[in-house]
This record gives sequence, structure tokens and C-alpha cells, in this order.
Amino acid sequence: DAKTTQPTSMDCAEGRAANLPCNHSTISGNEYVYWYRQIHSQGPQYIIHGLKNNETNEMASLIITEDRKSSTLILPHATLRDTAVYYCIVNSGGSNYKLTFGKGTLLTVNP
Amino acid sequence: GAVVSQHPSWVICKSGTSVKIECRSLDFQATTMFWYRQFPKQSLMLMATSNEGSKATYEQGVEKDKFLINHASLTLSTLTVTSAHPEDSSFYICSATRGQGNTEAFFGQGTRLTVV
Repeated sequence: DAKTTQPTSMDCAEGRAANLPCNHSTISGNEYVYWYRQIHSQGPQYIIHGLKNNETNEMASLIITEDRKSSTLILPHATLRDTAVYYCIVNSGGSNYKLTFGKGTLLTVNP
Repeated sequence: GAVVSQHPSWVICKSGTSVKIECRSLDFQATTMFWYRQFPKQSLMLMATSNEGSKATYEQGVEKDKFLINHASLTLSTLTVTSAHPEDSSFYICSATRGQGNTEAFFGQGTRLTVV
């Protein structure tokens, strides 16, 4: 699966949008982009995933560039409870489904 | 969303003993389950992938005889850490998927193992 690059850490003010970038320049045509987050000492939580179209759910929006080499996870109105490590993962799925976690981005939402 | 439950949430054991961790999918049948290990301030490291009724596939560097994985049913997988040592102390996390293809994985809450 393709490798991803994320900033080590980011800060965001409570109530503002948090935009978390991810580079995946070696992504191949059949690989999806997944986002998970992990709050301290808990198991990861699924956020969203997509292939090439932008996706939105009740938690977040995922914007994937046209060339699919990068994506941005958007939390529209960050709260203190959104403070977590956010992981961007590329996965080809099917019989090769396997989520490999990188170092992720520590998002700190400040009051 | 679907629920994956791990038991126990934490365990302390003596060096040389074995510890079993259970991972259950509570409201769906999990075709595939995954076991991860996470050391402090590090990311999750995939240990093995298991499909119901077949042998687990271990990642490179993970000792299959030390970390025994059993996936006897579509809702239960177990990880047994055999002859545990202090260096096995870690946060163990399981996840499960509902089917093939690109689908989200659901994670358990993790098990904190401390070997003394």
C-alpha cells in the first residue's frame, strides 16, 4: 500500500474548522484513502474514507485532489473532544485489506 | 456503527505466564480480524490478520508461537501471549471488518497488558 505523509502536529481553536492534510503521492488507482483517529488510550475510531470523489458524513468531510496525490480531512466545527491523533491510511482493500498506521497528526483543539 | 469489544481492558500478569485477550464483534459477523500492538508514544503496529476458520497471517518479525491467534467463529478472535515477559507489556488492540472490499474496520477499546 502507498505511504502517507502527515504533519506531526496541528492546533485548532474550538469552534473553528480543522483542516488536516495528507500526502499520498504514490497512491494507485484501486487504493482508497481512509481516516481514523485515536483518542488517548483508546482504540482507533473510523472517520471517513473515499476513492476519488469528495465524501461527507456526520463527522467530517474528505476532500481528495483530482490527481489523488493528496487529501484533506475537514472537521467543520472542532470541539475539545476532537483532540486526538488523526491517521491517514491508504488501502487497496479486497483480499489485501490491511490498515497500516503511520505516525499520524496530533490535533490539539484549544479553548 | 458496529461494535467490537475486547476483554479484559487491562491485565497484570507475572513473567512467564500466559495471557489470553478476547475480541468480539457484538452486532456483526467479522470475516476478518486484525491484531495490533502499540507501545507508548508510538503508532499501532499490525501483528497479524486472521480469517475465521483458517490460520492467522503474521507480519514479519512477529513470533507466531509466542502470539497465538485463534479465530474460531465469525464473532470471536483470541490472542494469547505465551510466556509473557516485561518487554511484551503493551497496548493490544483488535479490529474487525464486515466483509471483503473497501469497508471500514471497527476497533476494540484495547487491552493494556503489564507483565511484572
